[in-house]
Amino acid sequence: DTGVSQDPRHKITKRGQNVTFRCDPISEHNRLYWYRQTLGQGPEFLTYFQNEAQLEKSRLLSDRFSAERPKGSFSTLEIQRTEQGDSAMYLCASSLSRGRSTDTQYFGPGTRLTVL
Amino acid sequence: QQQVKQSPQSLIVQKGGIPIINCAYENTAFDYFPWYQQFPGKGPALLIAIRPDVSEKKEGRFTISFNKSAKQFSLHIMDSQPGDSATYFCAAISAGGSNYKLTFGKGTLLTVNP
Repeated sequence: DTGVSQDPRHKITKRGQNVTFRCDPISEHNRLYWYRQTLGQGPEFLTYFQNEAQLEKSRLLSDRFSAERPKGSFSTLEIQRTEQGDSAMYLCASSLSRGRSTDTQYFGPGTRLTVL
Repeated sequence: QQQVKQSPQSLIVQKGGIPIINCAYENTAFDYFPWYQQFPGKGPALLIAIRPDVSEKKEGRFTISFNKSAKQFSLHIMDSQPGDSATYFCAAISAGGSNYKLTFGKGTLLTVNP
């Protein structure tokens, strides 16, 4: 079990540039979540997938953000026209859903984005 | 609106001490309350969790106490060790809907001095 992996671990970009992050969930996990964590705060929900279907998006996910999970495996999160306020840690989590709130979400190490 | 309030923001104890972290929630639809531990540069990792029909749960040196009527729950770390130094987050999940998204508190930075 290799756990949830995320790439890159760190990304520095200039304002206005586009960035894309990748998340590889634990094998066979059917649910995948994206969270954003800013300094001194807990992670905040952005969006989640059940297999390849994106089922909910937070109001935090502006139209500059787009997430995909083709074939229900890895997922990508793209931010277009980055702004300084996008600087944060972007966390991915996955779970094997049995349709219960007790399903454990396993987090990856995150991608730290810095927008200059 | 912060749905899960966590305190204190930071905590320093000596080795062997018993740090206590408190959380309070507002949404009565929450039905599962996990605690996560996060080390610098790492993602949060599940530590222990409790359902509201249980008043206490213990796993090793970690204990959750739950007060459903007060909508409060707390984490106690017995015989704390320097290796427990990390940020701790309480969280909650709602039984309503199907997304099972975690709602986190703001976190408590725990430092255990040798």
